[in-house]
Amino acid sequence: GQQVMQIPQYQHVQEGEDFTTYCNSSTTLSNIQWYKQRPGGHPVFLIQLVKSGEVKKQKRLTFQFGEAKKNSSLHITATQTTDVGTYFCAGPDQGGSEKLVFGKGTKLTVNP
Amino acid sequence: NAGVMQNPRHLVRRRGQEARLRCSPMKGHSHVYWYRQLPEEGLKFMVYLQKENIIDESGMPKERFSAEFPKEGPSILRIQQVVRGDSAAYFCASSQTDRLSSYNSPLHFGNGTRLTVT
Repeated sequence: GQQVMQIPQYQHVQEGEDFTTYCNSSTTLSNIQWYKQRPGGHPVFLIQLVKSGEVKKQKRLTFQFGEAKKNSSLHITATQTTDVGTYFCAGPDQGGSEKLVFGKGTKLTVNP
Repeated sequence: NAGVMQNPRHLVRRRGQEARLRCSPMKGHSHVYWYRQLPEEGLKFMVYLQKENIIDESGMPKERFSAEFPKEGPSILRIQQVVRGDSAAYFCASSQTDRLSSYNSPLHFGNGTRLTVT
């Protein structure tokens, strides 16, 4: 089935540093979604990307969808302690299913 | 609160007992998904249901696990004869599929049920 690979698995940064997580798929994705899960919490939808080469921004967060629609990235500028959590990308399963396949996530810790 | 409601929040069961996890989707949502999460791991798809129908159960173990989403009432994930390996967080999510769109609808997750098998 569809696999979505995410790197790195863990990232430790000093507050104020930038952070990037990468998501790769072996197949072309019609769309990709990003979620954030705070420690002890549940995943919360952040954004959806659907167009080749699309770039979307949410304050300090920048999301990008690759030209081939096989990869995506999330970049956080000047991290804050409130950014702590695990960031997941998710793409549709093969065959046009409604099912979303999640990457293993990147766990971000921020040292104040 | 019109969000996805899951209960119980925490559930402790002894080996061999049954666990029943409930999920009420967001108002207006007709699609329910169950995901399982082990500590420090990602979300593993288990099952996708619409009212009274199981659409995709490819991620659910064939034995001991079952799911339903009746016409009335919440979706239920049932685990019979639990074993220690069933200990995990089980998240339910709902979505409202837009038939005019070919893209997946965003998922709205509940707070999860943390199952501990002793």
